[in-house]
Amino acid sequence: KAGVTQTPRYLIKTRGQQVTLSCSPISGHRSVSWYQQTPGQGLQFLFEYFSETQRNKGNFPGRFSGRQFSNSRSEMNVSTLELGDSALYLCASSLAASSDTGELFFGEGSRLTVL
Amino acid sequence: DQQVKQNSPSLSVQEGRISILNCDYTNSMFDYFLWYKKYPAEGPTFLISISSIKDKNEDGRFTVFLNKSAKHLSLHIVPSQPGDSAVYFCAASADQGGSEKLVFGKGTKLTVNP
Repeated sequence: KAGVTQTPRYLIKTRGQQVTLSCSPISGHRSVSWYQQTPGQGLQFLFEYFSETQRNKGNFPGRFSGRQFSNSRSEMNVSTLELGDSALYLCASSLAASSDTGELFFGEGSRLTVL
Repeated sequence: DQQVKQNSPSLSVQEGRISILNCDYTNSMFDYFLWYKKYPAEGPTFLISISSIKDKNEDGRFTVFLNKSAKHLSLHIVPSQPGDSAVYFCAASADQGGSEKLVFGKGTKLTVNP
């Protein structure tokens, strides 16, 4: 079956702009989480959605937001972009069932460059 | 304050030898640990996991050891192969694998030389 799909793969924005990233999870997966990867900080958890509700949120400012649709697809938005927002943004999906081992299936990421 | 630490940013080993990647954690509530492997331009992929009720889990060439008293886990790859060259992330969870609460280390870049 198809894996996690993220779009766009690459994008360049300027400071002050906003950006929306999209993620389509593996079919049947109900949980979608977002991570930011930077060379200095590694992988950092942004937020997690389950059944259109945000279940958990990491330690990021309010400029970072997201949502999940009824088909489990998710979007994340970053407003008023700053240079430090340049990163690889990874989306991951999981079954989130009671028997789930916690394994996450990651997309290839969206590489954001802020100039 | 990093709850999951991978203190070695990089590691280089010869093909056929053992690779040992280390990970330390500070949160005693963590009870489930995972390793992910990431190749350039790809998302991380799950490699192996271990629950706090065990001290060892083996899957082929990959073995994870957990020392709860030391809050330390390690990933052993034997024998190492050039295709193992990647960044390895250690991750921990405080709710027995509930994926929404994973905390990741910064990663260790493994290079296996032919």
